[in-house]
Amino acid sequence: NAGVTQTPKFQVLKTGQSMTLQCAQDMNHNSMYWYRQDPGMGLRLIYYSASEGTTDKGEVPNGYNVSRLNKREFSLRLESAAPSQTSVYFCASSLLGQETQYFGPGTRLLVL
Amino acid sequence: TQLLEQSPQFLSIQEGENLTVYCNSSSVFSSLQWYRQEPGEGPVLLVTVVTGGEVKKLKRLTFQFGDARKDSSLHITAAQPGDTGLYLCAGGTNDYKLSFGAGTTVTVRA
Repeated sequence: NAGVTQTPKFQVLKTGQSMTLQCAQDMNHNSMYWYRQDPGMGLRLIYYSASEGTTDKGEVPNGYNVSRLNKREFSLRLESAAPSQTSVYFCASSLLGQETQYFGPGTRLLVL
Repeated sequence: TQLLEQSPQFLSIQEGENLTVYCNSSSVFSSLQWYRQEPGEGPVLLVTVVTGGEVKKLKRLTFQFGDARKDSSLHITAAQPGDTGLYLCAGGTNDYKLSFGAGTTVTVRA
């Protein structure tokens, strides 16, 4: 099993450009999450989807939008990238009601 | 604001030494999880503890959940270079979400 996959692995954007980060899981999990990781700040939740058809804001949602395309896929969109969005982005998934989350390998984003 | 405070932030020890990482909060959690993250990869779950006072052992790693379910510790005995990584604690709050600590970077020198 691939688990949680993320594309792309690396991306460089110019300020104002847009892009979508893709995430897919093959574990039949109900819940999916997007985090960003910055030095000294741990993982901060951007958005999550408790189950297919629902999405909710996390701790740092400003500047981002999400789409739960189906049970497997959860995408994160930056409409107008800013240098403050330079970070490593992780997608995770879990079974509904279970607190253990399984993470993808991350997308490293640099906004110039 | 970090709900979970981890200490120390950095730890560098010699192979064979012991180490302890702490995870503290003023909040009560339904579960406490420890993850390890290696450079360029995502966090990988080490253990989940759910009962106050619970102690779990995984080979040379010992995890403890505080009686009040507000804090936890990770103890590594006879550390090896393969234990090097970023250790993250995360608290569950029964609302589908986890709150993560900032992490402890552990370096074990050969």
